[in-house]
Amino acid sequence: AAGVIQSPRHLIKEKRETATLKCYPIPRHDTVYWYQQGPGQDPQFLISFYEKMQSDKGSIPDRFSAQQFSDYHSELNMSSLELGDSALYFCASSLAGPGRAQTEAFFGQGTRLTVV
Amino acid sequence: AQSVTQLGSHVSVSEGALVLLRCNYSSSVPPYLFWYVQYPNQGLQLLLKYTSAATLVKGINGFEAEFKKSETSFHLTKPSAHMSDAAEYFCAVSVAAGNKLTFGGGTRVLVKP
Repeated sequence: AAGVIQSPRHLIKEKRETATLKCYPIPRHDTVYWYQQGPGQDPQFLISFYEKMQSDKGSIPDRFSAQQFSDYHSELNMSSLELGDSALYFCASSLAGPGRAQTEAFFGQGTRLTVV
Repeated sequence: AQSVTQLGSHVSVSEGALVLLRCNYSSSVPPYLFWYVQYPNQGLQLLLKYTSAATLVKGINGFEAEFKKSETSFHLTKPSAHMSDAAEYFCAVSVAAGNKLTFGGGTRVLVKP
């Protein structure tokens, strides 16, 4: 079965650079979530989109932005990178539309971002 | 708002012994509860979920969890640990289908031969 695809799997950037992470949800899933997992930490919710509209927002820095495109893939854009942004970034997807919502989210393998 | 507390950041068990991972939650509405497993450098894989149906939930790899509303708990158990169970386990809560997950701090399981 198709899973959530994230690219790239690994990314190394220098401080103050910009990074773009991509997420391709499971086909027919209408909701995408982004989470950040720092070293030795639990995943923290950043932002989510339902049908290409932002549906919820967590502790996402103003330097980060995200969007969901017409084909439902999503991109997380991170600017002015700081050392503390080094983390594993997960994308997850689910089917959350009215009357057909699934209760669980399916996670991708993550993108490991290292800022040096 | 919802929150999850996992008691014990590390658990060490012998192969063949019982695995018990503790999770307590706080939620202002009836929760959806999940256990995820994460192997090193891997994503999060769903083990099992509670969504207001049966309180005893069976998942993959022989794991099960029991929802106890009176104790606000959702502890994860496996009768007999296997070496392949060595991983980090996260308990998570959501307040509705399609909503974000709030995770506990995770419990790292070490299985000794």
